[in-house]
Amino acid sequence: ETGVTQSPTHLIKTRGQQVTLRCSSQSGHNTVSWYQQALGQGPQFIFQYYREEENGRGNFPPRFSGLQFPNYSSELNVNALELDDSALYLCASSFARGGVTDTQYFGPGTRLTVL
Amino acid sequence: AQKVTQAQTEISVVEKEDVTLDCVYETRDTTYYLFWYKQPPSGELVFLIRRNSFDEQNEISGRYSWNFQKSTSSFNFTITASQVVDSAVYFCALKGINDGGTSYGKLTFGQGTILTVHP
Repeated sequence: ETGVTQSPTHLIKTRGQQVTLRCSSQSGHNTVSWYQQALGQGPQFIFQYYREEENGRGNFPPRFSGLQFPNYSSELNVNALELDDSALYLCASSFARGGVTDTQYFGPGTRLTVL
Repeated sequence: AQKVTQAQTEISVVEKEDVTLDCVYETRDTTYYLFWYKQPPSGELVFLIRRNSFDEQNEISGRYSWNFQKSTSSFNFTITASQVVDSAVYFCALKGINDGGTSYGKLTFGQGTILTVHP
C-alpha cells in the first residue's frame, strides 16, 4: 500500500511569486486535506477536497486555492506569496463516506521558504 | 469554536522513565474524535490513535496508553519505559461532527509537546 506522497520536498520562492504544491493520496482514499505548520506551532487547517470540490475551509485568504483530480491527487496553489507563508505544508488523505471523514494520514510535507 | 491545549511545551526524561503528555480540549459538538500524532524530525505526522467521544475506555498499545476522561475534557497519553526513539513532537488533535451529522476533515491541533528522551 502506497502512503501519502508530496512534492517537492523543499521550495524557495520570493515574495509576490506563486507556488504549486502537489499531493498524491493513499491508495483507497478519496479525500485530501491541506495544513500549514509554522515553525514551533501545530498544523492549521487550510481546506479539504472531496469529489473534486472544496469541502470545508479554515481561516486562510482566497490566494490559497486548490484542486483535486479524478485520481484523488491534489494541488495547493498560493498566489502573491508573503514572508509569513514560509512554513511546512502538510497534505493528509482519508476516506469519506456519508459525509463523515475517517482518520487522516499525512505525507512528509513540503518546506516552503519565502524570501 | 474548538480548542486543544497541550500545556507542556517541552518534556525531558531519561530512558526507561514513564512520561505522560497532557491534552485538554474544548468543543460544543456532542460527538467528536480525538487523536494523537507523533512528528519525528523528518516532519511527517504519524497517526497513533483515534478515540470516539462516546467511548471512554482507556487503551493500551504496547508501551503506549491513553486515558480519555470526558468529565475533565482530557485525553492524556502515557509512554511507559521511554526510549530514545520516542523523542519527537507529539500533537493532540480534535475533530467534531456537526449537527448535520457530517464532519469534513478539519482537525484542530494543539501546540504540541516536544519530548526528548536521553540515553
